[in-house]
Order: sequence, then C-alpha cells, then structure tokens
Amino acid sequence: SYELTQPLSVSVALGQTASITCGGKNIGRKSVLWFQQKPGQAPVLVLYRDNNRPSGIPEAFSGSSSGNTATLTITRAQAGDEADYYCQVWDSSTAVFGGGTKLTVL
Amino acid sequence: EVQLVESGGGLIKPGGSLRLSCAVSGFTFSNAWMSWVRQAPGRGLEWVGRIKSKIDGRATDYAAPVKGRFIISGDDSKDTLYLQMNSLKTEDTGVYYCTTLNDFGDDTSGYWGQGTLVTVSS
Repeated sequence: SYELTQPLSVSVALGQTASITCGGKNIGRKSVLWFQQKPGQAPVLVLYRDNNRPSGIPEAFSGSSSGNTATLTITRAQAGDEADYYCQVWDSSTAVFGGGTKLTVL
Repeated sequence: EVQLVESGGGLIKPGGSLRLSCAVSGFTFSNAWMSWVRQAPGRGLEWVGRIKSKIDGRATDYAAPVKGRFIISGDDSKDTLYLQMNSLKTEDTGVYYCTTLNDFGDDTSGYWGQGTLVTVSS
C-alpha cells in the first residue's frame, strides 16, 4: 500500500520560514493536499493540487511537489501557525495521509 | 454556508454496532463525493472510506482495517451521510469526521464537520 512519510516535528523561529516535507513514491505525479489541525479542532485545508490556496488561507502558505517529495512552506511563521500538518494524496481509490508533523514556533 | 454536523458517537462495547450520521447543508449533497476520516486519541488522521455521488452510483471504497465491517451510505432526501459500524474493536476508538474529502484533489475537499467521539471499551 502507498505510504507518505513526514517528519514528526519541525521547529521555526518566529518570523522565519518553515518547511515540512512529505515523502512518497512518485508523489510529484499526484495531487497533494495539506491540512492544518490545531488541538481540539477539525482539520483545515491549507493547500490543494500542490500549491493552490483555498480562499481565506494566507499567502504565507505555499507548496511544491516533485519526484518523491512534496513540501509545504510557511513564510514569516506566526504563533498562530503552530499546529499539526498533514499531507494527503489518493492512490488507487484510497485516501492516504502522512503521519503528521507538529510545527513549533519558537 | 457549508455545514457538516456529525452525531451518533458514544461508548460502545467491543463487538457492538453504532451508526454515525452527518447532516449537511450549503451544497447539493446528492452531487458530492464524501469521506469519513477518523483520529485515534493522540494519533494522526486515518481515512475510513468514501462514497461517490448519486450520479456515480453511490459507489464506495473503504480502508483495509474497516472493510467488511463498516458501511457508508447516503440519504439524498435527508441530505445526510451515514457510517454504519459493526463488529467494533477497541482500535476503532477515536473522533470520526465527516468530510467532503474526495478523489478530485481540489478545494472541494475542504469541508469538515466538528467530529463525533466513538469509544469502544468494555
């Protein structure tokens, strides 16, 4: 079965740039979604089709995907960006989530 | 405004059955592909299954851990999505989210309910 690999945690200084990776076989050929989840809340879609932001999502969120790695980038990280982030793709009519990355803003 | 409201969660003994409901509004339910996603306490997101739209025959796909035990269905007259859970196991414990997550990979996957907690314990 298809697997997505994310780092367990990423730390970033306030105002700096954070990058969260998502590894999967030929993920560059798939449409990658990224979700943000804060404690006690439902996930929120922050990027779709690799680098498209739903309405209401700040420009600080961007993404890329090539080969076996997709990346979520958060520029000028704020305290409010501290959350768990999940990548997601579809493979053979099955939705697959990465294990999630806890972003800490220092 | 799009709203998804889950209900039906609770405490159930192993081997028991439970049916979750998700009442939707703000979009045409019969045209939507929808999923159930769960999250065990302190763990990540896990896809449970997906149902296609009415025009696509309401076909379903399920994750391996629940296939044969869980059934997703939709009542277009009530704009409601269901998750029938049978032969429940302790590892089925978690928050269950109703969501528009679908195979299209676009922003139509962006609507989620607040979740309902299912606890399987003796």
